[in-house]
Amino acid sequence: AQRVTQPEKLLSVFKGAPVELKCNYSYSGSPELFWYVQYSRQRLQLLLRHISRESIKGFTADLNKGETSFHLKKPFAQEEDSAMYYCALKNDNQAGTALIFGKGTTLSVSS
Amino acid sequence: ETGVTQSPTHLIKTRGQQVTLRCSSQSGHNTVSWYQQALGQGPQFIFQYYREEENGRGNFPPRFSGLQFPKYSSELNVNALELDDSALYLCASSLRGPSETQYFGPGTRLLVL
Repeated sequence: AQRVTQPEKLLSVFKGAPVELKCNYSYSGSPELFWYVQYSRQRLQLLLRHISRESIKGFTADLNKGETSFHLKKPFAQEEDSAMYYCALKNDNQAGTALIFGKGTTLSVSS
Repeated sequence: ETGVTQSPTHLIKTRGQQVTLRCSSQSGHNTVSWYQQALGQGPQFIFQYYREEENGRGNFPPRFSGLQFPKYSSELNVNALELDDSALYLCASSLRGPSETQYFGPGTRLLVL
């Protein structure tokens, strides 16, 4: 079954520290993965997608098919990075383009 | 900021009632997806509409139904409400294609008493 696992409910770091938000997936096929972010009092928005291979707001994520992971990383955390982060997998096994989300990780960056 | 809007923002219903939630997609988008987000969980896919036809459904019973209308509006209907239906309901619109990106609305928070 297709599944996305985010093992950490909460990640607390100090400003300037490296950040790694973990995401593991289960999918029989070629996965398409995303990271979505939700800042306080804002809507869910796309942060990045693995096919773009880009860095957004200093964040990067590399797809590791061997480890079935898509961890989100940033070398130096900023206070404005504090938010809820969701990893999502595009489910092509059914008609349409549904997203399967993990439960989310709250990132808290303090000074 | 995206142009996806949802109404109402909050709603309180009692068990057994029916509810209709509305979504206005971003201009030019031909696909709308609905998700249910329970407290402390990630969004869970309910169904998707593409060019006004259902085009994918998650593990939700038939009492969850939807419609997509021309000019970017859509509805989620839930009949015979149960307490467990209390959640945030999110609508996301997208343009079907290789680089499809779903843009989310702010959600409707439904409380069933």
